[in-house]
Amino acid sequence: DARVTQTPRHKVTEMGQEVTMRCQPILGHNTVFWYRQTMMQGLELLAYFRNRAPLDDSGMPKDRFSAEMPDATLATLKIQPSEPRDSAVYFCASGLVGGITNYGYTFGSGTRLTVV
Amino acid sequence: KNEVEQSPQNLTAQEGEFITINCSYSVGISALHWLQQHPGGGIVSLFMLSSGKKKHGRLIATINIQEKHSSLHITASHPRDSAVYICAVRSYNTDKLIFGTGTRLQVFP
Repeated sequence: DARVTQTPRHKVTEMGQEVTMRCQPILGHNTVFWYRQTMMQGLELLAYFRNRAPLDDSGMPKDRFSAEMPDATLATLKIQPSEPRDSAVYFCASGLVGGITNYGYTFGSGTRLTVV
Repeated sequence: KNEVEQSPQNLTAQEGEFITINCSYSVGISALHWLQQHPGGGIVSLFMLSSGKKKHGRLIATINIQEKHSSLHITASHPRDSAVYICAVRSYNTDKLIFGTGTRLQVFP
């Protein structure tokens, strides 16, 4: 089965350090999302891309977070500097979207980030 | 008021019972998704619906667009069905999902 691959699965880091999370979307998918999940807020959209172009990053704290797609096989989410409140599970999802057609989304296994 | 409401928030059942989880939404949508998340686990997409009913194994999902309501049913529930079930809707003209807060299901042997 095709899958969305996220690395690392777990990350523990000290406050102030840079954190980079990576996502390999399913080959052929043209839309990539980054979500954050916390107990308090549930799932929140941070940013998403269509054909590698950012479409919406309004959910992302701009001062410390950045999301990019350097190529079609890699999406990255960086936090610099990290803070304890960034501790959460970060999910990447990808999908094939064209016009009015949407074939659904596939989620990765997530990166569990702990900032101490 | 949240745009996507799920009920119940928590549900316990005995193995073999028929389970129903409900989802109501207040926005116009192009599709509704049911997702499953096991404790400490990733998110699995169970169904994507825009009308009618879909069935996969013991899982059935229905949607009523006029009433803005969807249900997820599990027949002959099993302890391995224990998970959080999340309803999410995709509003018109956007690819973004709006998530419900989830229903935590525990099925006991």
